[in-house]
Amino acid sequence: AQKITQTQPGMFVQEKEAVTLDCTYDTSDPSYGLFWYKQPSSGEMIFLIYQGSYDQQNATEGRYSLNFQKARKSANLVISASQLGDSAMYFCATREDYKLSFGAGTTVTVRA
Amino acid sequence: DTGVSQDPRHKITKRGQNVTFRCDPISEHNRLYWYRQTLGQGPEFLTYFQNEAQLEKSRLLSDRFSAERPKGSFSTLEIQRTEQGDSAMYLCASSHVTGALTDTQYFGPGTRLTVL
Repeated sequence: AQKITQTQPGMFVQEKEAVTLDCTYDTSDPSYGLFWYKQPSSGEMIFLIYQGSYDQQNATEGRYSLNFQKARKSANLVISASQLGDSAMYFCATREDYKLSFGAGTTVTVRA
Repeated sequence: DTGVSQDPRHKITKRGQNVTFRCDPISEHNRLYWYRQTLGQGPEFLTYFQNEAQLEKSRLLSDRFSAERPKGSFSTLEIQRTEQGDSAMYLCASSHVTGALTDTQYFGPGTRLTVL
């Protein structure tokens, strides 16, 4: 079974600054996918960004970028130019075969 | 294109009662998943369907839980004889399977169950 570790339970960031959310994973599968989801207080899980284990370049999607270090089994999410609407819970997940395995999440609070 | 919808959004029930939740996936998606999320944790996989076939069930899914997807479209999740430990957010997701690892699962808003 895969294990996902998010060591930061909560983080504060000033509006317009960048924030990095840590994620490490443990898998023996040579081929896997890494995902980040955002969960606002309303509860819906919103897909943010994807990284494949064989992708040579780090994924980017607007203000989101993924710092993928395969040898370290690390897939950190960087949110640039934080906005008040970024305040939410963020989950890292891996996909092996059909199902997602999630970490415990990191709460991000953006301060004005 | 509408997203994944779930009904009801909130359910409060008494211990021992049966409850049923519904999920409507994105229309062209052939896979449908159910997850459960307890407070302060990430979602945990419960089961999934490819079209109308239920292909995998987690050990978390006790015999009080049953899920169906009768025509390969919407799905229902029923919990019989609810217990207080069943209180959680039940999330549904769907995806269009192409065989690539990039098959992204899109989630609905969830059904929050409270068992008194």
